Amino acid sequence: NAGVTQTPKFQVLKTGQSMTLQCAQDMNHNSMYWYRQDPGMGLRLIYYSASEGTTDKGEVPNGYNVSRLNKREFSLRLESAAPSQTSVYFCASSEGSGYNEQFFGPGTRLTVL
Amino acid sequence: LAKTTQPISMDSYEGQEVNITCSHNNIATNDYITWYQQFPSQGPRFIIQGYKTKVTNEVASLFIPADRKSSTLSLPRVSLSDTAVYYCLVDPDNYGQNFVFGPGTRLSVLP
Repeated sequence: NAGVTQTPKFQVLKTGQSMTLQCAQDMNHNSMYWYRQDPGMGLRLIYYSASEGTTDKGEVPNGYNVSRLNKREFSLRLESAAPSQTSVYFCASSEGSGYNEQFFGPGTRLTVL
Repeated sequence: LAKTTQPISMDSYEGQEVNITCSHNNIATNDYITWYQQFPSQGPRFIIQGYKTKVTNEVASLFIPADRKSSTLSLPRVSLSDTAVYYCLVDPDNYGQNFVFGPGTRLSVLP
């Protein structure tokens, strides 16, 4: 089992460009999450999906959109990237709610110039 | 939303026991307490979870007093590889909403 995979690992964008971060899990989990982590900071929840077909905003959703394509995949889209979105992005999944153990991917390091 | 407070950093030496305390004064009746570990350039990894008293697994122990307003993560006989950031989380009401990782405690294990 690969667990949670994320692509790409690194990305550099110019202000105003768009991109989609991909996340997939092979653990048959219902819930998936997107977090961002700024240098020296904890993780902040951007969006989450409690089940296939549902998505909800987390703490910092502005500037992002998500799609729960199927049970395995949960993508994060930046429509018009801004320097403030420079961060490391982590995808996670869990069986059931956030009470349960979350399994994290390796992260995507995004730089917006 | 229960807020947690934990030390920003701690130093220890190899072979010592390390105790990291987290305060969560307004923890709700249904909330569990969960600890994660994060190594540099990696995503966090679940360590342990508990509701009351003591929980132990192969990695750590978690002590929770009766009033549940704090909890202590205990790492026995740490090694250099335990150098990481440790996050204390008090779970949200539903499905990860407002699931907050604070700055955590940066543990440095010295030789």
